[in-house]
Amino acid sequence: DAGITQSPRHKVTETGTPVTLRCHQTENHRYMYWYRQDPGHGLRLIHYSYGVKDTDKGEVSDGYSVSRSKTEDFLLTLESATSSQTSVYFCAIRKRGPLRGGHGYTFGSGTRLTVV
Amino acid sequence: SQQGEEDPQALSIQEGENATMNCSYKTSINNLQWYRQNSGRGLVHLILIRSNEREKHSGRLRVTLDTSKKSSSLLITASRAADTASYFCATDAGESNYQLIWGAGTKLIIKP
Repeated sequence: DAGITQSPRHKVTETGTPVTLRCHQTENHRYMYWYRQDPGHGLRLIHYSYGVKDTDKGEVSDGYSVSRSKTEDFLLTLESATSSQTSVYFCAIRKRGPLRGGHGYTFGSGTRLTVV
Repeated sequence: SQQGEEDPQALSIQEGENATMNCSYKTSINNLQWYRQNSGRGLVHLILIRSNEREKHSGRLRVTLDTSKKSSSLLITASRAADTASYFCATDAGESNYQLIWGAGTKLIIKP
């Protein structure tokens, strides 16, 4: 959808191992976001990026790091996975538009991560 | 922190009926957006209403915004089984990072 793909779609990993999730876009959008979705919490922002090498923390950034070395790729790393990080992870992009024009986000299909 | 709060948390109606979902928020906003999420899928942007707008239509969707009450409603008319999904509101407070603040969603079930 709108040139955004997430990989992998599903992953099971062991506690204490590092995990990297990838978000890839084909439309050269500046703003990219990583969210986690858990029952009863809606979407919570982990990290976001506003350009190559420009990233910032969101609401629930502890235990996560991100990197954006190219416009098209935004990587989310769980440095040492814990069971509390079992979740569905979504990447989103904000399409370029008029300043304060108010464009919606486009989401990837999600990655379901299970930490055992 | 959660900005938008949807009401009800769950709604079950017969096909053909209208479905209304509400969203309340806490701070001033630049715009408010509604999204749909089908089970196991990503969210899909439905409609955006700016803070200076009071009502907006898109097909069978009608969104209203009352900034004095800090609330919005999403009306789906003539519901169909394919409308079964979770619906989320999200607010854009106009910050430079275009961050959206999300509610926990309303789960809508359309019974055939």
